[in-house]
Amino acid sequence: QSVLTQPPSVSGAPGQGVTISCTGSSSNIGAGYDVHWYQHLPGTAPKLLIYGNNNRPSGVPDRFSGSKSGTSASLAITGLQAEDEGDYYCQSYDSSLSGSVFGGGTKLTVL
Amino acid sequence: QVQLLESGPGLVKPSETLSLTCTVSDVSIYTYYWSWIRQPPGKGLEWIGYIDYRGSTNYNPSLKSRVTISIDTSKNQFSLKLNSVTAADTAVYYCAREIVVADGVYFDYWGQGTLVPVSS
Repeated sequence: QSVLTQPPSVSGAPGQGVTISCTGSSSNIGAGYDVHWYQHLPGTAPKLLIYGNNNRPSGVPDRFSGSKSGTSASLAITGLQAEDEGDYYCQSYDSSLSGSVFGGGTKLTVL
Repeated sequence: QVQLLESGPGLVKPSETLSLTCTVSDVSIYTYYWSWIRQPPGKGLEWIGYIDYRGSTNYNPSLKSRVTISIDTSKNQFSLKLNSVTAADTAVYYCAREIVVADGVYFDYWGQGTLVPVSS
């Protein structure tokens, strides 16, 4: 069982938007540590999508955005495209572990 | 463009030691932290630990008794050893560059990953 909780799956039609939640606790997200998001497409290496809660690395479309509040964070994807289909993971730092923790991953299906 | 490539045996027997090496290209290993992360089949990602260029390490407490991460700056490589493996250690193992910031850490470059089955 992962330290951060994500929904197992979300889906949306092309052009629509979806939101993926990530819930933590007082030793990670709630302690003020940043949340980061990764996109893992089939057959590829995981890719950093959002860092520092709401920052996009160079090359990541502005269709992807992140937010954080309290012990939770969210990844929003607008204008869904077929190539967005894959797994998405949140990650943060945990003070009780003194290391990184991940969510269990959310599978995005573009209908 | 930073590149990381995992290499190592494709199969490990129970009770033996899993050994993997990550070769880093296009950036010096002298900066940043370097991590190992794994993903068992059908499960989420699990951070294993990191090392810096000085050889300072930090391990996931759940694996700490069985893990050793080392670094070879002359070859721009870092390595993972996990001993006394069981079937539960079957996973895709990734190496990644870890960025430390004021409010945590994140991983900006990852290797493609290598599947290591543990089976007799």
